[in-house]
Amino acid sequence: GAVVSQHPSRVICKSGTSVKIECRSLDFQATTMFWYRQFPKQSLMLMATSNEGSKATYEQGVEKDKFLINHASLTLSTLTVTSAHPEDSSFYICSARGSGGETQYFGPGTRLLVL
Amino acid sequence: AQSVTQLDSHVSVSEGTPVLLRCNYSSSYSPSLFWYVQHPNKGLQLLLKYTSAATLVKGINGFEAEFKKSETSFHLTKPSAHMSDAAEYFCVVSDQTSGTYKYIFGTGTRLKVLA
Repeated sequence: GAVVSQHPSRVICKSGTSVKIECRSLDFQATTMFWYRQFPKQSLMLMATSNEGSKATYEQGVEKDKFLINHASLTLSTLTVTSAHPEDSSFYICSARGSGGETQYFGPGTRLLVL
Repeated sequence: AQSVTQLDSHVSVSEGTPVLLRCNYSSSYSPSLFWYVQHPNKGLQLLLKYTSAATLVKGINGFEAEFKKSETSFHLTKPSAHMSDAAEYFCVVSDQTSGTYKYIFGTGTRLKVLA
């Protein structure tokens, strides 16, 4: 149980375009989802927290107009990187947490390369 | 404020020998602590968690960790390392001061297993 999927696993896009990443909880209802960014050989950096049906809460220094997060249902959250630039290239990981627990279950990650 | 410190950025062991990955925490509350493993270009997999029940926690793949309040430690151990254990390991504390129980990550320990 507690499986989280992400799609796509890898994406290459041109600078200036937008990219959408999906995060799904497959076998539980995710009241809260988290989006992280990970640079090579580093730990995870929390970008934002989203609760189903509410606006996302962004961490300090994360541009909310650039990284659009939608959590429209209890099983799906999306991260859209708008007007992507090469410096947005990174590994993006989502996680999901159900109600009544602190444990986060992580997706397999999405590798974004912006040319 | 809560925090975790992973004392070793890299650990090398020979296959078949014990593994010890060290983690110290700081928390004003009774903490919830987790160990996750990340294989290259993958998401994070939960190894085990401590949430104020038994102080010796058994996880998957033969790993276990002991919560020691007097030492503020939560070290991860395994009696005999396998080649497949080579990965990055993260110690995590759940931030109970935030309503969403955000995770606070350690900087990670890269485990290398020598044949």
